[in-house]
Amino acid sequence: SYVLTQPPSVSVAPGKTARITCGGNNIGSKSVHWYQQKPGQAPVLVIYYDSDRPSGIPERFSGSNSGNTATLTISRVEAGDEADYYCQVWDSSSDHPVVFGGGTKLTVL
Amino acid sequence: QITLKESGPTLVKPTQTLTLTCTFSGFSLSTSGVGVGWIRQPPGKALEWLALIYWDDDKRYSPSLKSRLTITKDTSKNQVVLTMTNMDPVDTATYYCAQGYSYLDYWGQGTLVTVSS
Repeated sequence: SYVLTQPPSVSVAPGKTARITCGGNNIGSKSVHWYQQKPGQAPVLVIYYDSDRPSGIPERFSGSNSGNTATLTISRVEAGDEADYYCQVWDSSSDHPVVFGGGTKLTVL
Repeated sequence: QITLKESGPTLVKPTQTLTLTCTFSGFSLSTSGVGVGWIRQPPGKALEWLALIYWDDDKRYSPSLKSRLTITKDTSKNQVVLTMTNMDPVDTATYYCAQGYSYLDYWGQGTLVTVSS
């Protein structure tokens, strides 16, 4: 089945830009979705279809997807952004249509 | 307002069958394009997708767990039920249900299921 690879951790200082990658074979041909999960809470969708933001998600969150890498970018990082982030793809033609990445722990220094 | 809530046992014994119910409101599983899925997360580990059921009763399962899983829906009760057979301690996890088609935009709070004798 399809494999998504994320770095285990990313660290960033407040006010700086964090970039979290999600690697997969020709992932640019798929739609990528991103979730934020804070300790003890359910995941929250922050980006869908590569770069769309649900209502209520700050504009500081953006996404891109090309080639073999999708990227979640968080601008002007705040302490409240510290969380685990998961990428996810969906392939209706696959016998494993929903795949999650292994998650990335974002630490705000 | 869309809400989902998982319910079921918090403790099951090895080899037993787990039955979890997702009760939702704010949408109908008979509406075209709607799906409800189950996802689990072992303590300290990553999310793992388990199963999805769509409005047209199309059902999809994780290939690695397919032989143990059954997902069904009761549209009149606004419920989706997941059964997992032959439970093992490695199945200890928080189990979430979520609404969506290709992405999951509404999630339940999750329910922790512990497998232990």
